Amino acid sequence: EAQVTQNPRYLITVTGKKLTVTCSQNMNHEYMSWYRQDPGLGLRQIYYSMNVEVTDKGDVPEGYKVSRKEKRNFPLILESPSPNQTSLYFCASSLAQGNTGELFFGEGSRLTVL
Amino acid sequence: AQSVTQLGSHVSVSEGALVLLRCNYSSSVPPYLFWYVQYPNQGLQLLLKYTTGATLVKGINGFEAEFKKSETSFHLTKPSAHMSDAAEYFCAVSVLRNNDMRFGAGTRLTVKP
Repeated sequence: EAQVTQNPRYLITVTGKKLTVTCSQNMNHEYMSWYRQDPGLGLRQIYYSMNVEVTDKGDVPEGYKVSRKEKRNFPLILESPSPNQTSLYFCASSLAQGNTGELFFGEGSRLTVL
Repeated sequence: AQSVTQLGSHVSVSEGALVLLRCNYSSSVPPYLFWYVQYPNQGLQLLLKYTTGATLVKGINGFEAEFKKSETSFHLTKPSAHMSDAAEYFCAVSVLRNNDMRFGAGTRLTVKP
């Protein structure tokens, strides 16, 4: 089954404790992206990757890091989480640049930073 | 860069009534337009999309949307609401050769019995 898998789905952590949210897709998609969803703001892009070893900042990259060492995986790293990073996070993937851009989403990771 | 505005953060309709969710876009080049639906505790899933060709597009679950270039709109409609349509709906825009998809703030649809 074609899917985007995120882990963990729920996480409560404390300020400053490094964490990683994993994302994996099995559709051989070149493009992957991370979004955060906050009430009234919709989805805002954090980082995206056009292919292996190619990443770039989205609209709200501060406080986040990503890596793309393999095509299927695109982890989101919070080196020193802060309460303003409490949010619902989504990973998404799609075919290469130039297509219609339809995104396939994971089920989301709800993060609370105390 | 392209952008979308969804009019109304909350829409409430009675079961069986018409559903109309409004979306206006801004883009300097021909856009690709999407509606995604998010059910509680789930990720977003594609409802329908407009790329080129026919301006009236049909999606899953009886939804449809019409691309109106003159009005820069892509409103989502369904003739008769079902309880199962209660969800949050997001309009999104992207452009050819650019994977930068921009989302609206979302509209939460409530369906009353």
